[in-house]
Amino acid sequence: GENVEQHPSTLSVQEGDSAVIKCTYSDSASNYFPWYKQELGKRPQLIIDIRSNVGEKKDQRIAVTLNKTAKHFSLHITETQPEDSAVYFCAASSPGGDKIIFGKGTRLHILP
Amino acid sequence: DSGVTQTPKHLITATGQRVTLRCSPRSGDLSVYWYQQSLDQGLQFLIQYYNGEERAKGNILERFSAQQFPDLHSELNLSSLELGDSALYFCASSVWDNTGELFFGEGSRLTVL
Repeated sequence: GENVEQHPSTLSVQEGDSAVIKCTYSDSASNYFPWYKQELGKRPQLIIDIRSNVGEKKDQRIAVTLNKTAKHFSLHITETQPEDSAVYFCAASSPGGDKIIFGKGTRLHILP
Repeated sequence: DSGVTQTPKHLITATGQRVTLRCSPRSGDLSVYWYQQSLDQGLQFLIQYYNGEERAKGNILERFSAQQFPDLHSELNLSSLELGDSALYFCASSVWDNTGELFFGEGSRLTVL
């Protein structure tokens, strides 16, 4: 079945610097790759997603890149702010979206 | 507010007991997903339903079962509870189209003593 590996498990960056979180997936048929942000004590919420027919997508300070050949995708956050502190989860979905598998998460700390 | 309602928010019970967690999806969403989140763990996929039918199974224990009713709400039944079952159980719903976005409820925190 699908397996999603996420690294690093913890990441600390200085406010204003960039953060990069990387994920790899095992099922070459996966075609949808969302990223979720979970603030402390809150529910996960979608922040950006990418489909297999594009290589990059950007939304303000957040961007996601996808390399289908290598089966990996990454989240890039630029000009980090204190409110970016949270746990970020990557996920991969098989065709039809009936099984969305999440990575184990990255705890991002933004240092003042 | 995601529009997904989960009850109860908190539940404390003893080992060996059985509990039922309930989820009402967003209006119009046909798919319901259940995930388990243990301390410092990711979101473990348990099971997914679409319009009343089971569509996919993940790492769901045999002691656990779920169903989706005709009104589209879903219930997750956990039986013969063990200490290790203590976790936050999330329900999520989606429209079942190509967006794929999951809308999560606030979760049900289960503590097994």
